[in-house]
Amino acid sequence: DAKTTQPNSMESNEEEPVHLPCNHSTISGTDYIHWYRQLPSQGPEYVIHGLTSNVNNRMASLAIAEDRKSSTLILHRATLRDAAVYYCILRPNAGGTSYGKLTFGQGTILTVHP
Amino acid sequence: DVKVTQSSRYLVKRTGEKVFLECVQDMDHENMFWYRQDPGLGLRLIYFSYDVKMKEKGDIPEGYSVSREKKERFSLILESASTNQTSMYLCASSFPGSGEKLFFGSGTQLSVL
Repeated sequence: DAKTTQPNSMESNEEEPVHLPCNHSTISGTDYIHWYRQLPSQGPEYVIHGLTSNVNNRMASLAIAEDRKSSTLILHRATLRDAAVYYCILRPNAGGTSYGKLTFGQGTILTVHP
Repeated sequence: DVKVTQSSRYLVKRTGEKVFLECVQDMDHENMFWYRQDPGLGLRLIYFSYDVKMKEKGDIPEGYSVSREKKERFSLILESASTNQTSMYLCASSFPGSGEKLFFGSGTQLSVL
């Protein structure tokens, strides 16, 4: 399975943008890039996903490199509630019973300072 | 709002006990999953089910079994609990498809003494 590499931790100030990087140099052509986050004492929460094009939703933006070997999750204005562990995950689009079988790495611990 | 409910937030059991962890989702999702989360090891998939009465082993199924008699309910069973099964257990569900999102419960912190 293709793996992802993320920094162990990052820090940001409140109301500033945050760029969370993820490297996935062995990504295959059909792998989707998913981001989840886990707030303290909660289960992971879906943030965003994409395949080739950049994606935006109400929570964040996902910028995908042209060669797809890396991606960046962008939080446009960090708030204290965004402090969490952020996971970058590759989801194989192999069909059959592989749906949703996500492999979570260690993720990036994001600290947001007031 | 989408909801995945795990029956207990905290559970304390003794070694050798049979333990049932229950998970219910209200979204009519086909797929359901059980993960465990341990410090330094991240989330690891134990079992998943893509239909009623169907189950597939994940990455660490040893010592666990599952049951899915109804679409909305997925149970994780520890036949004989051991101390190395002390962990946070997370249930998730999803609707299959290319844009698939997993919805997680809040987790059950199980301590086996």
